[in-house]
Amino acid sequence: VQLEQSRAAVGKPGATVRLSCKVSGYKFTDHNIHWVQQAPGNGLVWMGHVDPKDGETKIAEKFRGRVTVAADTSSGTVYMELRSLTYEDTAVYYCTTFAFCTSVACYPNDGFDMWGQGTVVTVSS
Amino acid sequence: QTVVTQEPSLTVSPGGTVTLTCASTTGAVTSGHYPTWYQQKPGQAPRALIYSTTKKHSWTPARFSGSLLGGKSALTLSGVQPEDEADYYCVLYYGGVQPVVFGGGTKLTVL
Repeated sequence: VQLEQSRAAVGKPGATVRLSCKVSGYKFTDHNIHWVQQAPGNGLVWMGHVDPKDGETKIAEKFRGRVTVAADTSSGTVYMELRSLTYEDTAVYYCTTFAFCTSVACYPNDGFDMWGQGTVVTVSS
Repeated sequence: QTVVTQEPSLTVSPGGTVTLTCASTTGAVTSGHYPTWYQQKPGQAPRALIYSTTKKHSWTPARFSGSLLGGKSALTLSGVQPEDEADYYCVLYYGGVQPVVFGGGTKLTVL
């Protein structure tokens, strides 16, 4: 089982970055994919998720309007687009299967808690 | 907005015992929040140790245990080893608009 994330990205303030997370070793539609942000020296922040089975997403309030998460079932890849970059978006971004979500709540995906290696995003002018 | 709080830092001697806690601004943490604990070492992705309050993964060392303590989730390390030096994060699960909230993390130093 592997979650392979895209390489490091650099973006200017106001620009957009698109990160990818390609999964292998399991059926793509079996597990939600979440994105978690970790700014330098800071903790983990849940950004949102997509259910590859039906494309349903939920985005954390902090990122709503700036983040889109989408799943491509043909390639087994999840994409996360972060728009209107600010210096505060400089961080490592992880994709993970750590939770599964229904329409009303999320729960730990204890039997399948996998993480990608992380993608470093640097916002610089 | 829900905030989950942890001790920013703790120090423990090798072989000692330490308890890390995880509190919620919404009130007492219960098993219904499915408290989950992660360990993160520098340059690595987080790795789950405890889920659903007390349950361990197959790779979780026996010296780690989870519980509820005084309205908080707790992670106890008994017989601390030097390799336990790391950042520890709890995560709580809620319904509604903020379904997943991480704590700010505890930096554990073994000295």
